[in-house]
Amino acid sequence: AQSVTQLDSHVSVSEGTPVLLRCNYSSSYSPSLFWYVQHPNKGLQLLLKYTSAATLVKGINGFEAEFKKSETSFHLTKPSAHMSDAAEYFCVVSDQTGANNLFFGTGTRLTVIP
Amino acid sequence: ETGVTQSPTHLIKTRGQQVTLRCSSQSGHNTVSWYQQALGQGPQFIFQYYREEENGRGNFPPRFSGLQFPNYSSELNVNALELDDSALYLCASSLDHTDTQYFGPGTRLTVL
Repeated sequence: AQSVTQLDSHVSVSEGTPVLLRCNYSSSYSPSLFWYVQHPNKGLQLLLKYTSAATLVKGINGFEAEFKKSETSFHLTKPSAHMSDAAEYFCVVSDQTGANNLFFGTGTRLTVIP
Repeated sequence: ETGVTQSPTHLIKTRGQQVTLRCSSQSGHNTVSWYQQALGQGPQFIFQYYREEENGRGNFPPRFSGLQFPNYSSELNVNALELDDSALYLCASSLDHTDTQYFGPGTRLTVL
């Protein structure tokens, strides 16, 4: 069975400092992993996707994530936080069966302090 | 290119009523998946439609049903509404049920 665990429910950083949002996954096979962002009262926006082509995945808005099989982790990082990054972030794994439905973590709320 | 759209934006119903939510997929996409996002939680998969047929279902009771039309738009129907059905309902579209899914803004359903 596929699942993800987001290790922090809330992360607070100062503007201009690095962001680290942690995610561990569990998968029976080589997973497809995603990070989505949800701004208040908005839908979900795809930040990036890992599909085994490269362990370091670059996404939109300066975010990137590194797949570490030995640690079963897929942490999201950004070198310098911007006020507009304040949102809810979801780590997601695909079940890779016929429907390829997505399993979401419980989310990490990122607060950016000016 | 038109993104995923959903209607209505908000909806208030009372317990026991029935509701229909609508979703138009992104241009060129033939697959629609529906998710329920309860307050403070991550979205949970309800079901998926691919070329007008149900292509997978999550752990939701039969009172959650759906349709997909020839233009690939979709409906989510919920009968006998319960208070716990209050949530944000998200639809996502993709091409040929790949796992790269693009989400609409959601419909906020409140059941009183």
